[in-house]
Amino acid sequence: AQSVAQPEDQVNVAEGNPLTVKCTYSVSGNPYLFWYVQYPNRGLQFLLKYITGDNLVKGSYGFEAEFNKSQTSFHLKKPSALVSDSALYFCAVSLNDYKLSFGAGTTVTVRA
Amino acid sequence: GAGVSQSPSNKVTEKGKDVELRCDPISGHTALYWYRQSLGQGLEFLIYFQGNSAPDKSGLPSDRFSAERTGGSVSTLTIQRTQQEDSAVYLCASSLGGGGQETQYFGPGTRLLVL
Repeated sequence: AQSVAQPEDQVNVAEGNPLTVKCTYSVSGNPYLFWYVQYPNRGLQFLLKYITGDNLVKGSYGFEAEFNKSQTSFHLKKPSALVSDSALYFCAVSLNDYKLSFGAGTTVTVRA
Repeated sequence: GAGVSQSPSNKVTEKGKDVELRCDPISGHTALYWYRQSLGQGLEFLIYFQGNSAPDKSGLPSDRFSAERTGGSVSTLTIQRTQQEDSAVYLCASSLGGGGQETQYFGPGTRLLVL
C-alpha cells in the first residue's frame, strides 16, 4: 500500500518569507512524487514531480521540492512567498502504476 | 492549448435520480482518470482508462457508479440512483501515457450536490 502524509493542515507565512509545505510518503518501492496546487473552485494544477535523478526538482511559479529517500520526504519550498500563492496544496505518490494517492492537503495563506 | 474540460461545472439533483458527468481529455492523451474530492474522504481514485479499456475500476464506490470512454477520447461517469453521500467534486484527469511517472492534468471538476 502507498500513502502520503501532509502533517500540517495550514501554513501561514508573510509575503516575502520562505514557504515550506511538508510531505512524507510510505511506499514499498521507488516512488514517483508529485505536487499539485488547487485554487478555489478550480481543478488541480501540476507544479512539479520527482521521477529519478537529481533530488532537487524545480517546478512552476518558483517552487521547488527536495526528494529525501532516507527521510521519505518530499517537501515543497519557495524562497519568497507571494500573496497569490495562497491556495490548497496536495502531495501525491504513485508507483509503477497510474493511480495517484493524495495527501489530505495543506492550506497555505500568505499575508501581505 | 486546450486543457481537460468537464461538464457540467455544477449539477444539483434529487436523491434517486441518475446523473451523467462528462470529460474531454487533452487531445492525444491515451490515459484518462476519474477522481472524487469530498470533505470527508479527500481525493479518491475512482477509475482509470487506457484507450477505451478500463483495466482498473477498483475505486468505484458501488455498483451504482459506472464509466465509459469512447473513441479513445470523451469519457462519461454515470451515477445511478444518486444518494446524498455522492455529493462531491468529480475530477477528471488525462495523461499522455499510462505509467506512474506520467503527469496527470486535471480538469476544473463537476460539483455534484444531491438533495
